[in-house]
Amino acid sequence: GAGVSQSPSNKVTEKGKDVELRCDPISGHTALYWYRQSLGQGLEFLIYFQGNSAPDKSGLPSDRFSAERTGGSVSTLTIQRTQQEDSAVYLCASSLRLGGLNTEAFFGQGTRLTVV
Amino acid sequence: AQTVTQSQPEMSVQEAETVTLSCTYDTSESNYYLFWYKQPPSRQMILVIRQEAYKQQNATENRFSVNFQKAAKSFSLKISDSQLGDTAMYFCAFGHSNYQLIWGAGTKLIIKP
Repeated sequence: GAGVSQSPSNKVTEKGKDVELRCDPISGHTALYWYRQSLGQGLEFLIYFQGNSAPDKSGLPSDRFSAERTGGSVSTLTIQRTQQEDSAVYLCASSLRLGGLNTEAFFGQGTRLTVV
Repeated sequence: AQTVTQSQPEMSVQEAETVTLSCTYDTSESNYYLFWYKQPPSRQMILVIRQEAYKQQNATENRFSVNFQKAAKSFSLKISDSQLGDTAMYFCAFGHSNYQLIWGAGTKLIIKP
């Protein structure tokens, strides 16, 4: 597509339920990032995927968080047994490759998750 | 490890004034990229300007320019003739092929009418 697409744009869920957030990156981009952003705060790195390499999961805050990227394209971030502290905006970004030349990251609009 | 520091959590200036946002970084790499991103209240992050470390000339994009001091590891963003639409969070980021993008904590910029 023309840009990075995230769905849903807003999600309200009950504490303890599982949620899935979807990211559709720009076609051909090998690097995909997930970030979490609390209100008025900076970007908290969660996970990134680079081509066929094993993802860097070092930013995932707990084992309730997981992510996958199928076929090197669409990615899904799953949060199990959601807690109120999981409430935040979840941003997805993609770039041609990781960190180096042509690394401009293109961001989606984010998913605002509210756990009640 | 690479780090990026933005020491100004919030800044406020009058419309039409010039404002400079600071960013310092730490790295042992010699060739890398630096970026400034803008996140308005709509929360869509967009690239404002980028600088390649091996280029001595400071990057400019219309009213936006950078002061890149490689030896000092400083990468400040200057916004000239500021406009109300410049109100946003601004993030500085470091890029290198061996690492994911490294982000600063952000500076909240408010342009007052």
